[in-house]
Amino acid sequence: DMKVTQMPRYLIKRMGENVLLECGQDMSHETMYWYRQDPGLGLQLIYISYDVDSNSEGDIPKGYRVSRKKREHFSLILDSAKTNQTSVYFCASSLGTTNTEVFFGKGTRLTVV
Amino acid sequence: GEQVEQLPSILRVQEGSSASINCSYEDSASNYFPWYKQEPGENPKLIIDIRSNMERKQIQELIVLLDKKAKRFSLHITDTQPGDSAMYFCAAIRGSSGNKLIFGIGTLLSVKP
Repeated sequence: DMKVTQMPRYLIKRMGENVLLECGQDMSHETMYWYRQDPGLGLQLIYISYDVDSNSEGDIPKGYRVSRKKREHFSLILDSAKTNQTSVYFCASSLGTTNTEVFFGKGTRLTVV
Repeated sequence: GEQVEQLPSILRVQEGSSASINCSYEDSASNYFPWYKQEPGENPKLIIDIRSNMERKQIQELIVLLDKKAKRFSLHITDTQPGDSAMYFCAAIRGSSGNKLIFGIGTLLSVKP
């Protein structure tokens, strides 16, 4: 069963705390993504990873960093979370970067208080 | 970078009528245009896509049109049903900086019985 798995699904953190969002996929996809979804803004690309240790900034990378040490795992890290990082975060993966379906995880709802 | 504009942001139609969502893009090198449907609390799922070598594609009640000259593409849902009520996102590949999939802000479709 092809799947993108995100953990945790819900998370509440205090401002200034570090946050780790984890994502895994079982499809051996090369490319993985982190998006955030906010009302009225759609899905905004934070980072894209083309393979292990091959990461590139998306449109809104500030305040985030990523780690991809294994092809099947892609982590999003918030060092010192801010309240404006409250959002729903989606991880996704695809076989390549062109003409190929992108599969999304179920999302992580992060609240920073 | 590539922006994808999507209109309208909210669309209300009567059951059985057609619904149309329009998107435009900037990067003439874009060659892949997927459409995603997202139900409340769920992840976005691919419903139909079109590649730049096509002008029209239909899957059951879904029709997508692509006008490369005008850099516009559209989704048409014929004979809408209440189950079509959801958020719909268009997207385009930004080819100029690493083939990143960029989304529009979404259209909330409501089909009234």
